[in-house]
Amino acid sequence: QVQLQESGPGLVKPSQTLSLTCTVSGGSISSGSYSWSWIRQPAGKGLEWIGRIYSSGSTNYNPSLNSRVTITVDTSKNQFSLKLSSVTAADTAVYYCARDNWGPLYTSSDIWGQGTLVTVSS
Amino acid sequence: DIQMTQSPSSLSASVRDRVTITCQASQDIRSHLNWYQQKPGKAPKLLIYDASNLETGVPSRFSGSGSGTDFTFTISSLQPEDFATYYCQQYDNLPLTFGGGTKVEMK
Repeated sequence: QVQLQESGPGLVKPSQTLSLTCTVSGGSISSGSYSWSWIRQPAGKGLEWIGRIYSSGSTNYNPSLNSRVTITVDTSKNQFSLKLSSVTAADTAVYYCARDNWGPLYTSSDIWGQGTLVTVSS
Repeated sequence: DIQMTQSPSSLSASVRDRVTITCQASQDIRSHLNWYQQKPGKAPKLLIYDASNLETGVPSRFSGSGSGTDFTFTISSLQPEDFATYYCQQYDNLPLTFGGGTKVEMK
């Protein structure tokens, strides 16, 4: 079955760029009616959608992060990636990648990675 | 952004209790609502999509209803493994937004 796994540095300095990769296994990132999302969750808080990418490369971002976020896809490696620039302590969170399953009239994040904690600190 | 208001933010219940959580959207989102369960230290798990459709493999004690701005999530008979936090999420408009969560604790 399809599995997702986040990877990347667990510690990022303030003002630097956070970079994470999500590796998709058990299926092709290009197949089916899917998009691929990043969601984050500060400790003890709720979920915040960061953005998503389609295998075509088109993207949607949360306007609250829009100017700092870039999501890319590498279909040859079956991976998609997140870059968040100019980070501050407020960006400290568990970051999840997820597969968005698209039906005729719905979409839902049906498969999630285990999450990776990123701490922003000097 | 569409604001999703969940209530209550927490509740205490016993095994075999019926549990109901509500989610209210700040504007009409049709049936474009999902429900997720999250256990401590784990990723969220999809339970209900499109307001009332049970995800494959999810026990039938979980159900969802509603459309427009008002939605309900129900666990018909709470089981020990159901103590967790539950989130609603709308996907009618970007950005996708989540409710604040409802923590279901053991009484």
